[in-house]
Amino acid sequence: QQQVKQSPQSLIVQKGGISIINCAYENTAFDYFPWYQQFPGKGPALLIAIRPDVSEKKEGRFTISFNKSAKQFSLHIMDSQPGDSATYFCAASFLIQGAQKLVFGQGTRLTINP
Amino acid sequence: DTEVTQTPKHLVMGMTNKKSLKCEQHMGHRAMYWYKQKAKKPPELMFVYSYEKLSINESVPSRFSPECPNSSLLNLHLHALQPEDSALYLCASSQDSRFHQPQHFGDGTRLSIL
Repeated sequence: QQQVKQSPQSLIVQKGGISIINCAYENTAFDYFPWYQQFPGKGPALLIAIRPDVSEKKEGRFTISFNKSAKQFSLHIMDSQPGDSATYFCAASFLIQGAQKLVFGQGTRLTINP
Repeated sequence: DTEVTQTPKHLVMGMTNKKSLKCEQHMGHRAMYWYKQKAKKPPELMFVYSYEKLSINESVPSRFSPECPNSSLLNLHLHALQPEDSALYLCASSQDSRFHQPQHFGDGTRLSIL
C-alpha cells in the first residue's frame, strides 16, 4: 500500500501556539520521511526529514516525532507565526528500481492567526 | 531563490500543439524528477532520471515524453494533451536517487490546455 494518510486537512492556530500535523503509513518499505512546506505559487520546500531509526528530530521550531511500531509520524511547529501559514505535506520514500520514490500525504492547509 | 529553475512559468496550449517544459539545476545532482500537481492536491511522481537514464515511469501516457540531455537539464515534451492535463508541473533534483536524499523542487510550470 503506497499511501500516506495525513490529517487534518486544514488547521487554524493562534500566533504563538503549537501546530500539530499527523501522518500514517502502511508500507514498511518506506525508509525516509521528509516534510515539505509549500506557499501559493511556489514549489514544495524541504523543512525537515527523519529516518525510522530515530524517534525525534528537532530543527529550530520544527520537530518530527516518529513511532515506527505504530507507523505514524507527526510535525510539531512551536511558537507558530503568521509566516508559517502554508500547505504542509508529509511524505515517505522508498527505493525501487534503483531510484528513490517519494509519496506525499494529501496536505494540510495551516493558517496562523495574528 | 530556488536552485532548480523551470521555464516557462506559465504555458497555455491547444490540444494539437507541441511544446516543451525545461528544468535546469547546477547543484551537481545526478537525479532529476518530474511531478504533476493538481490544485489542492499533493505532487504525484511522473518520471525519475538517474545518471541521465530513465529509472521510473509511473505509467504516464505517451503524450508526455521526458528527456535528460545531460546531468543538469531535464525536459518534458508535450504533444496532443488533454484538458485534464492542466496542472502545475514540478521538477526536482537530488544528489543521487539511489539513496534517500532531499529532493529540491523548482517553482513549477503552470500548464493550461484549451
